[in-house]
Amino acid sequence: QVQLVQSGAEVEKPGASVKVSCKASGYRFSEYGIHWVRQAPGQGLEWMGWINPANVNTKYSQNFQGRVTISRDTSASTAYMELSSLRSEDTAVYFCARSRLNSGWLYFDYWGQGTQVTVSS
Amino acid sequence: DIQLTQSPSTLSASVGDRVTITCRASPSFSTWLAWYQQKPGKVPKLLIYKTSTLDSGVPSRFSGSGSGTEFTLSISSLQPDDFATYYCQQYHSYPLTFGGGTKVEIK
Repeated sequence: QVQLVQSGAEVEKPGASVKVSCKASGYRFSEYGIHWVRQAPGQGLEWMGWINPANVNTKYSQNFQGRVTISRDTSASTAYMELSSLRSEDTAVYFCARSRLNSGWLYFDYWGQGTQVTVSS
Repeated sequence: DIQLTQSPSTLSASVGDRVTITCRASPSFSTWLAWYQQKPGKVPKLLIYKTSTLDSGVPSRFSGSGSGTEFTLSISSLQPDDFATYYCQQYHSYPLTFGGGTKVEIK
């Protein structure tokens, strides 16, 4: 069965960086995209960006102004999301989610369990 | 960017009620809209994609429709398991965006 398993909770200081992993299983990793979506406490969902594991193409939301980097390790069937220059407003649960690769199919059929990232001095 | 505005933000209903949630888009687009259900502390679950196609295993009491600036999610007969928050998401253009959510509460 398809599973996306994320790394554990992180506590970081303002200005630091955090890197969250998302290990995929149950399907061919290169045949589906991996997106990152975050949810601040009590708030809605915010898309951050995604990677096509087959060709390493990425697309990011401008809302993160170059602070986010999404990468992958195909040998480990794992995608990563690194967010830099952390501020308190980045405190949120970060989800990875799977989609097909083609435009017209960029909705999320499987999600990781979420990773709590807390930014606090 | 495509902005999605959901209404109402909170909906109080009883088991057996028919409920409708609206997702208004600006600017308009067609077809590439999905709906998710999220329960407190849980992961979002895909309900509908391509405006009206139910994901596998989603009960038939859920339905979706719309185009242009207005899309709707309907639940024909609300069940106890349906009390949750619902989000629309467009994948017509980047950045992918979500509506602000509609919380369906027990009346």
